[in-house]
Amino acid sequence: DTAVSQTPKYLVTQMGNDKSIKCEQNLGHDTMYWYKQDSKKFLKIMFSYNNKELIINETVPNRFSPKSPDKAHLNLHINSLELGDSAVYFCASSKGLAEILDGELFFGEGSRLTVL
Amino acid sequence: GQQVMQIPQYQHVQEGEDFTTYCNSSTTLSNIQWYKQRPGGHPVFLIQLVKSGEVKKQKRLTFQFGEAKKNSSLHITATQTTDVGTYFCAGSNAGNMLTFGGGTRLMVKP
Repeated sequence: DTAVSQTPKYLVTQMGNDKSIKCEQNLGHDTMYWYKQDSKKFLKIMFSYNNKELIINETVPNRFSPKSPDKAHLNLHINSLELGDSAVYFCASSKGLAEILDGELFFGEGSRLTVL
Repeated sequence: GQQVMQIPQYQHVQEGEDFTTYCNSSTTLSNIQWYKQRPGGHPVFLIQLVKSGEVKKQKRLTFQFGEAKKNSSLHITATQTTDVGTYFCAGSNAGNMLTFGGGTRLMVKP
């Protein structure tokens, strides 16, 4: 029943490893996002996909690669993890793009990544 | 690029006191949204404001959008312990993405 679900909730891993976080939404939304929230609670957009196409790609190291196999899924793969990647990663979806009236974001519960 | 600033960063209040957080954008916004994130939780949408000078209320929460559409505020009357959390504003303008403010963390002493 969860509208936006992401797995895993917690991820503890060593520096240099590769990891993935998966996200699925069952709201029928066209747009999906990945946000990074650091320890100071700043929410920074990383990527946005609209109908499986990448529309926003902020200044994110190319170790981060999003993949959208279909409208309902947006996964995030991270290569060669670094200490600074430790954060909570939120997946979100919206009916349309944020700048139009239906732009309300629905967030997943977050995936807390800890890099040792 | 677009910047959205929020003040204060932190606010401690006694239960029953009022609370206000302010949001300022470096550019004119097409709309502004407010979200609440409980400790350990995820951001949850509260409201969206679109019109210049718009005021909307949700029970004890009052949201305002400035006349110039560059600032906004959220006011909570008579805070309760259930109001604890971080309140984020997020603004967007046409052709741009939603940019979040840094958030205001509200702590309420019972």
